[in-house]
Amino acid sequence: GAVVSQHPSWVICKSGTSVKIECRSLDFQATTMFWYRQFPKQSLMLMATSNEGSKATYEQGVEKDKFLINHASLTLSTLTVTSAHPEDSSFYICSAPVRLYNEQFFGPGTRLTVL
Amino acid sequence: GESVGLHLPTLSVQEGDNSIINCAYSNSASDYFIWYKQESGKGPQFIIDIRSNMDKRQGQRVTVLLNKTVKHLSLQIAATQPGDSAVYFCAENYGGSQGNLIFGKGTKLSVKP
Repeated sequence: GAVVSQHPSWVICKSGTSVKIECRSLDFQATTMFWYRQFPKQSLMLMATSNEGSKATYEQGVEKDKFLINHASLTLSTLTVTSAHPEDSSFYICSAPVRLYNEQFFGPGTRLTVL
Repeated sequence: GESVGLHLPTLSVQEGDNSIINCAYSNSASDYFIWYKQESGKGPQFIIDIRSNMDKRQGQRVTVLLNKTVKHLSLQIAATQPGDSAVYFCAENYGGSQGNLIFGKGTKLSVKP
């Protein structure tokens, strides 16, 4: 199967700072990637769809100026949480669909803790 | 099936027993359904999928049943093992496997040795 990686796997930051999370497709090209957020004991909620070479599409209620998404290459999408606050603390997971396998592959997730 | 609850339903089974995990999906137009397994601190792992033109699909030790009439999906795990302990999510989509997924609430499966 295909492999999706995320970096960092966990990060702790101070309130008001910005944090960048990377999502990489290691052995395939991804024109589309999805970003999800998961709070403790809850399900995954789609935040946005990242499109290579164009603007991301955000779900209703997700602030595009707060969660900046850049998909500058076919193997990398980044999510930047700007001016992070404690309520942004969550598990952020990316995924990429792979036509060859007719399946979506998920990254291992990034645990963000904002103090 | 968007999750808004603070507590995951829990299913506790004895090792070797069969497990059945249920899911109600929300969109009658959804035509593709997937079951994922998520271990603590990790991303979801694909288990099995089914398309809306099927009622049942079997994999290794797992079976997915789809009832479109009542918008219900179930995952059956045969001879449950301690390694099966995890949170299980169903997900739905319309338009196939390449689009964004809507995840159900999740069920925590605990397997007692």
